[in-house]
Amino acid sequence: AQSVTQPDARVTVSEGASLQLRCKYSYFGTPYLFWYVQYPRQGLQLLLKYYPGDPVVQGVNGFEAEFSKSNSSFHLRKASVHWSDWAVYFCAVSMEANTGKLTFGDGTVLTVKP
Amino acid sequence: GGIITQTPKFLIGQEGQKLTLKCQQNFNHDTMYWYRQDSGKGLRLIYYSITENDLQKGDLSEGYDASREKKSSFSLTVTSAQKNEMAVFLCASSIVRVNQDTQYFGPGTRLLVL
Repeated sequence: AQSVTQPDARVTVSEGASLQLRCKYSYFGTPYLFWYVQYPRQGLQLLLKYYPGDPVVQGVNGFEAEFSKSNSSFHLRKASVHWSDWAVYFCAVSMEANTGKLTFGDGTVLTVKP
Repeated sequence: GGIITQTPKFLIGQEGQKLTLKCQQNFNHDTMYWYRQDSGKGLRLIYYSITENDLQKGDLSEGYDASREKKSSFSLTVTSAQKNEMAVFLCASSIVRVNQDTQYFGPGTRLLVL
């Protein structure tokens, strides 16, 4: 079955440190991949999305992600974390064309230490 | 730009009660979605609608009804609230065309069943 796994339920980093949030997907076709962020008591906002092409995708607020077909992964990275990045991050995959349906991972809670 | 409005923001119900959640979008998007978010979990799709008067079941449709009477609005009904149920219901919308399927989310309706 198609699925998205975020293996780390919680990640804690110090402000200014680098960040990687992991995402693995299971799908036999060519996926469209997304990272969304959810700030407290808000809906989800798109950080970045991948369509077949350049495997490294740039997003908002200094985030980027790299698609790896061999590893079935789409990890999110940031070079220097800011306290305002404290949020829940969701990886999602679109596996059905023309419906927009997304399958979400369970999310990773990012805590930023001062 | 546009916005998605969800009403009410908070909903407290009684066991067995029928409860209705409403969603409005002014993006002029064709497709709308209802998701359920449980604490520590990702989003699970309840219903989606590709166009006015269309309804498609998601993975979690049992126990819910939905209605898309206008392009701009999408309602969700919990047909019989379950005791101690607590979840956030998120509405989203998108244009579904090739490479243009970003979903935009509302702030959510928080449900508590006593």
